[in-house]
Amino acid sequence: QEHLQQWGAGLLRPSETLSLTCAGSGGSLSGSFYSWIRQPPGKGLEWIGEINLGGRTNYNPSLKSRVTISLDRSKSQFSLRLTSVTAADTAIYYCARGYRLLAPDFWGQGTLVTVSS
Amino acid sequence: DIQMTQSPSSLSASVGDRVTITCQASQDIRNYLNWYHQKPGKPPKLLIYDASNLEPGVPSRFSGSGSGTDFTFTISGLQPEDVGTYYCQQYDNLPVTFGPGTKVDLK
Repeated sequence: QEHLQQWGAGLLRPSETLSLTCAGSGGSLSGSFYSWIRQPPGKGLEWIGEINLGGRTNYNPSLKSRVTISLDRSKSQFSLRLTSVTAADTAIYYCARGYRLLAPDFWGQGTLVTVSS
Repeated sequence: DIQMTQSPSSLSASVGDRVTITCQASQDIRNYLNWYHQKPGKPPKLLIYDASNLEPGVPSRFSGSGSGTDFTFTISGLQPEDVGTYYCQQYDNLPVTFGPGTKVDLK
């Protein structure tokens, strides 16, 4: 059964860098587009950005200065880096893949990242 | 950014009821709209893409319609496993934006 496994630090201090990685199951990553979306606890969804198989990225302008999404095809993984985090970045972070541009159709289970001093 | 609104924000319905959720975009998004369902503690699941296309494997009681700025999502006969929150999402313009969600529970 298809599975997206994601991992990374769950507790950060303000000004640190958030780093999360997402990998496909069985050593392969299906899809053509790979996204990160976040959800503050009890709130709605916020799109962070997307990378395609060719490495082209689209980012949310509200985060663009702090965000990098990268793809390592040799490892069937993609990653999120978000610099200079604050408490406002506390959220469940989801990775997702899709076969259509900007339409993620399968999501990882999510990683709760808490930013606190 | 394109603002997405949904109504109602929450609803209670009985098993077998027809449930309708509306989503409105602040500007024309053609048919670039998805619908997702999220159960508590779980990631969202894509149900409908391009406003009216059923994602493979999704039951046919789910449907979507609309184009431009006004969209409708319908469950033709609510089942217990359908409780949760439903989100619309536009992807005509960057950044991708989601509606605030409609919480559906059983009466």
